Amino acid sequence: DAGVIQSPRHEVTEMGQEVTLRCKPISGHNSLFWYRQTMMRGLELLIYFNNNVPIDDSGMPEDRFSAKMPNASFSTLKIQPSEPRDSAVYFCASSEGPRATDTQYFGPGTRLTVL
Amino acid sequence: AQSVTQPDIHITVSEGASLELRCNYSYGATPYLFWYVQSPGQGLQLLLKYFSGDTLVQGIKGFEAEFKRSQSSFNLRKPSVHWSDAAEYFCATANQAGTALIFGKGTTLSVSS
Repeated sequence: DAGVIQSPRHEVTEMGQEVTLRCKPISGHNSLFWYRQTMMRGLELLIYFNNNVPIDDSGMPEDRFSAKMPNASFSTLKIQPSEPRDSAVYFCASSEGPRATDTQYFGPGTRLTVL
Repeated sequence: AQSVTQPDIHITVSEGASLELRCNYSYGATPYLFWYVQSPGQGLQLLLKYFSGDTLVQGIKGFEAEFKRSQSSFNLRKPSVHWSDAAEYFCATANQAGTALIFGKGTTLSVSS
């Protein structure tokens, strides 16, 4: 298996622009997670899906952030409008199930820079 | 609320020397505990995990960790470090619902020759 695939790997945009990050989970995995990593706050869970349904989005910073999972093989994280403080590395992870006992497999991340 | 603390931000170890990375957790019941490694420019990879049972857990790449309830610790160890072990290491626990991971701030390991 190719593992979790994220695109783009790097994104540089200007403040106010819309940014869309993409994730393809491992085939057969039913849970998908979006994390954000910054120097100040470390790794934070933004939202996770189980069977394409958002289960917990309490980590989403504000209304500028939205996530969708239209099918089992694709998810997007959108920021609109983007701000410089959104600069971070965004990771997608997937697991077979929603329990903590299910190993999460991480993608390589998308490094977002908002100027 | 569940949390983990990694007291050391950065550690340097000589190649071939032993390694111990510290992790303390805060939770009354037996927690779910994990160690992940992040190599530069890469995503996180699970090294090992503890849910219950034997308190000494073996993982990949020659790593092990020991759960000590009396010390609220789950320290990661390796008897002999290789240069390729240079990376950032994250301790994590699960949230109360047992569905999401809560990560520590990480410890950066440098290996000197």
